[in-house]
Amino acid sequence: KAGVTQTPRYLIKTRGQQVTLSCSPISGHRSVSWYQQTPGQGLQFLFEYFSETQRNKGNFPGRFSGRQFSNSRSEMNVSTLELGDSALYLCASSSAVGLITEAFFGQGTRLTVV
Amino acid sequence: DAKTTQPNSMESNEEEPVHLPCNHSTISGTDYIHWYRQLPSQGPEYVIHGLTSNVNNRMASLAIAEDRKSSTLILHRATLRDAAVYYCILPKLSGAGSYQLTFGKGTKLSVIP
Repeated sequence: KAGVTQTPRYLIKTRGQQVTLSCSPISGHRSVSWYQQTPGQGLQFLFEYFSETQRNKGNFPGRFSGRQFSNSRSEMNVSTLELGDSALYLCASSSAVGLITEAFFGQGTRLTVV
Repeated sequence: DAKTTQPNSMESNEEEPVHLPCNHSTISGTDYIHWYRQLPSQGPEYVIHGLTSNVNNRMASLAIAEDRKSSTLILHRATLRDAAVYYCILPKLSGAGSYQLTFGKGTKLSVIP
């Protein structure tokens, strides 16, 4: 069974640009969550999608958005990039059957904003 | 929200057992205890979870205190591949049946050959 796939693995963007990251969950998983990891703040929850609907959102500005498609693949978008957006962006999928569900993480997309 | 407290770092000799503690004194009766680990340059990886009883799987054991205010992740024989940051998490249930993982700073485990 293939794991969670994130593309691209590395990305360099300029301040003010926008970026789209992609996540393909494990087959059959309908929940996709996104996390941002930085050395200073650690791993922080961005948002979670289930069946194309955003069910939960973390404390991030509106520049961070996402969506989920009918095949459960998800994208996240960051507009008007700032230097502080440089981070590892991680996607996790789960079958979302209650609280006991384990989350499977991808290897992440390393975004560098210059 | 219930919080967890873990030591910043721990060391272990290879092939020795490792006990990674976690305090969660404000845990509620319905909070599950999850453990994840993150190896260098990789995304987090699920290790184990439990509610009240001790749990075992192929990776580790989870010992939960009777009052549930603390738990211990046990690696029975540490290998170099176990060197990672270990996170103790109480998943938070939000509206619409969603839950999120709130990662603290975790415990950085170093394994000495």
